[in-house]
Amino acid sequence: QVQLVQSGADVKKPGSSVKVSCQASGGTLGYAISWVRQAPGQGLEWMGRVIPIHGLTDYAQKFQGRVSITAAKTTSTVYMELNSLTSEDTAVYYCARASVSYPDAFDIWGHGTTVIVSS
Amino acid sequence: QSALTQPPSASGTPGQRVTISCSGSSTNIGTNTVNWYQQLPGTAPKLLIYINNERPSGVPDRVSGSKSGTSASLAISGLQSEDEADYYCAAWDDSLNAYVFGTGTKVTVL
Repeated sequence: QVQLVQSGADVKKPGSSVKVSCQASGGTLGYAISWVRQAPGQGLEWMGRVIPIHGLTDYAQKFQGRVSITAAKTTSTVYMELNSLTSEDTAVYYCARASVSYPDAFDIWGHGTTVIVSS
Repeated sequence: QSALTQPPSASGTPGQRVTISCSGSSTNIGTNTVNWYQQLPGTAPKLLIYINNERPSGVPDRVSGSKSGTSASLAISGLQSEDEADYYCAAWDDSLNAYVFGTGTKVTVL
């Protein structure tokens, strides 16, 4: 069974960048890997996705120009980098896989990576 | 980006049936399939329903989904204490070219 293993928690200063990794263990990255974040006490927010087979990306308008999602097929790892951090970026960041069978649904989720932005 | 609209809370006693609505538009639910996710406290979300009404392996048949026009709903019958969680609907939005989640519904088992 595929598992998505994410990098560990991080604390960042305002204005800096964070890079979170998501590695598929025991299987493939599927059709696409999306990043979804959840601020404390808030709902789920889709940030963007990468389709690993050809590297194409889609980003939510809110994060355009500030986020970059890349895939390293050889290591089955996807990276999400978010720039110009503010306190409002404090959240748990999840990667989630969409399979080839049903590409609009996220059947496997990572455990989440907590990112705290604080001076 | 706009989220899909859900009621903030729903509740029921053990054994009862709970229904959660999800309202969207012609560019998301009206055009694309709807998925539902369950998030237990302190854990990652889990796929509960995909393609409007399909259940992944392991999801009990007392959980069901439906879609009509620009709205969808999730029903949980035979409510159990383990169903106490947050539930989110979601769909791709062709206008935004983005995946949109519902505002989330907290289900409480009384």
